[in-house]
Amino acid sequence: NAGVTQTPKFQVLKTGQSMTLQCAQDMNHNSMYWYRQDPGMGLRLIYYSASEGTTDKGEVPNGYNVSRLNKREFSLRLESAAPSQTSVYFCASSYKGPGYSYEQYFGPGTRLTVT
Amino acid sequence: EDKVVQSPLSLVVHEGDTVTLNCSYEVTNFRSLLWYKQEKKAPTFLFMLTSSGIEKKSGRLSSILDKKELFSILNITATQTGDSAVYLCAVEARGTNAGKSTFGDGTTLTVKP
Repeated sequence: NAGVTQTPKFQVLKTGQSMTLQCAQDMNHNSMYWYRQDPGMGLRLIYYSASEGTTDKGEVPNGYNVSRLNKREFSLRLESAAPSQTSVYFCASSYKGPGYSYEQYFGPGTRLTVT
Repeated sequence: EDKVVQSPLSLVVHEGDTVTLNCSYEVTNFRSLLWYKQEKKAPTFLFMLTSSGIEKKSGRLSSILDKKELFSILNITATQTGDSAVYLCAVEARGTNAGKSTFGDGTTLTVKP
């Protein structure tokens, strides 16, 4: 079991460039999430997907788009990168059912710098 | 809007000390509160609490929830240098917000030898 994997681990972009962060999980989880973490702060939810085919906005969705490609994969796209998007990005997954939930498992993170 | 406040923001102790980390929250239609440990990489799960007054314990770590006063504490006894990390508290809500976790800013614990 690889758990949650993310690519790339590091990325440097120039302002205005675009890129896609990839995330995959092999735990058969139905829910997946994208967070960003800025220095000295907790995790802020960008988008989440409660099940295949559905996505919803989190706290800080502006400047991002997501795709839940299938049950395993959930990608995050920056269409036109800005310096304010410099951060560490974490993907996570969990299993949720009606009336109950379980903890989230996190990927290793992508450190993104926008110059 | 759901809100989680952790205190203190940072803490420095010596090995063998006992520490208490605090987490207070405001959430519409509370489902659960979770604690995670983050050591320079991805957060890892520690505890999930859903009921008041029931202590969860794992080795030297324990946690309890007070749903009336809307807070939780995480205790670490006989601290070790390996306990140095950021401890994150998160809450989940039922209903339309199901699936979303709101995180606090974390408490950075440094344990000196």
